[in-house]
Amino acid sequence: RKEVEQDPGPFNVPEGATVAFNCTYSNSASQSFFWYRQDCRKEPKLLMSVYSSGNEDGRFTAQLNRASQYISLLIRDSKLSDSATYLCVVNTGFQKLVFGTGTRLLVSP
Amino acid sequence: DTAVSQTPKYLVTQMGNDKSIKCEQNLGHDTMYWYKQDSKKFLKIMFSYNNKELIINETVPNRFSPKSPDKAHLNLHINSLELGDSAVYFCASSQRGGGQETQYFGPGTRLLVL
Repeated sequence: RKEVEQDPGPFNVPEGATVAFNCTYSNSASQSFFWYRQDCRKEPKLLMSVYSSGNEDGRFTAQLNRASQYISLLIRDSKLSDSATYLCVVNTGFQKLVFGTGTRLLVSP
Repeated sequence: DTAVSQTPKYLVTQMGNDKSIKCEQNLGHDTMYWYKQDSKKFLKIMFSYNNKELIINETVPNRFSPKSPDKAHLNLHINSLELGDSAVYFCASSQRGGGQETQYFGPGTRLLVL
């Protein structure tokens, strides 16, 4: 079983749609959680950290359920520029980041 | 003014050759990393160094040898290249903190072994 599992997609949505991505992780001792974004042929970049109480950054909302070892990302009012691969990332300790395989999002006009 | 830079961006070479990839960060971070992203886009950590000391060494063949001359540089030397080494190699850096520290990635080095 992979340490961090995501649905690879792709998710094809029209502009303005709301889309949600889910992720599960296997290491219950994981310390911190993130969503990174990777555009085609580019490096991953931090989108947002994920806190236990849930957190929001503009159109993006992240949730964490430690009991179920489950992380989610909600994107509201999708823009064309949101098209990318979204990587669920877990810090298992000593700054070791474990990446999911990513969920590909395609937003169409 | 790139924060994390890598050279070269592209590397095409024959099986059996030895090659190096260089990484530099100008963010003043104390920790640097090497990741490998394979053809299935799976990104996996290989090594991390904190203040020139090896912290993480995943199960990477010993043909791969990282070297950190100072905390701003982390180079990766690969001996006897194999076809399976073809991938994108990303360098990253962060400042050690309470666990929420962001890792900043370089643009990647696309390695193709023929």
